[in-house]
Amino acid sequence: KQEVTQIPAALSVPEGENLVLNCSFTDSAIYNLQWFRQDPGKGLTSLLLIQSSQREQTSGRLNASLDKSSGRSTLYIAASQPGDSATYLCAVRTSGSRLTFGEGTQLTVNP
Amino acid sequence: GAVVSQHPSWVICKSGTSVKIECRSLDFQATTMFWYRQFPKQSLMLMATSNEGSKATYEQGVEKDKFLINHASLTLSTLTVTSAHPEDSSFYICSQGGQGLGDNQPQHFGDGTRLSIL
Repeated sequence: KQEVTQIPAALSVPEGENLVLNCSFTDSAIYNLQWFRQDPGKGLTSLLLIQSSQREQTSGRLNASLDKSSGRSTLYIAASQPGDSATYLCAVRTSGSRLTFGEGTQLTVNP
Repeated sequence: GAVVSQHPSWVICKSGTSVKIECRSLDFQATTMFWYRQFPKQSLMLMATSNEGSKATYEQGVEKDKFLINHASLTLSTLTVTSAHPEDSSFYICSQGGQGLGDNQPQHFGDGTRLSIL
């Protein structure tokens, strides 16, 4: 059974800092890994998707890496802003379209 | 724009009421849709997989008679919480899957439905 773990559970940083969120998964037989953002009381917004054959993906200030063999992914956020405050979830896609989610990292960026 | 439309976004009702939540796939015909449940400060837990034209597949521990799923068309899946009680209060989110969703396409989610049972 696939298990996904995210560390840390919560993170508070001052504005402008670069930060790294971590995600690990137990079964390396994945199709892809997706990072999502969730604002309080809202649905999920897809940020980045890394295919199983890829090592990283970038979008603006976000960079996600994937080391499938070791079951790890990181989400790097450069020059953090208060608007980045949200919960960040990683999810791995295994059979079919099924996603397994981590518990999330609650990020607070202080002005 | 949104590719998955979920309605309603918020429901407050009395204990014993049945509540229907709709999830529409706007950009392709989804043979499969997923229903998740999320408790405060917790992650999403898959409840069931909705299959167009056939019975839904429920995860272990999810009561199929409590959470009725109908996937009558390729663009619409509904989740009905029957005789809801306060312990059913939660955030319910759907996502699209299946036909048309390649292995390396991002999966999109609805905006969720917050259900509060008094």
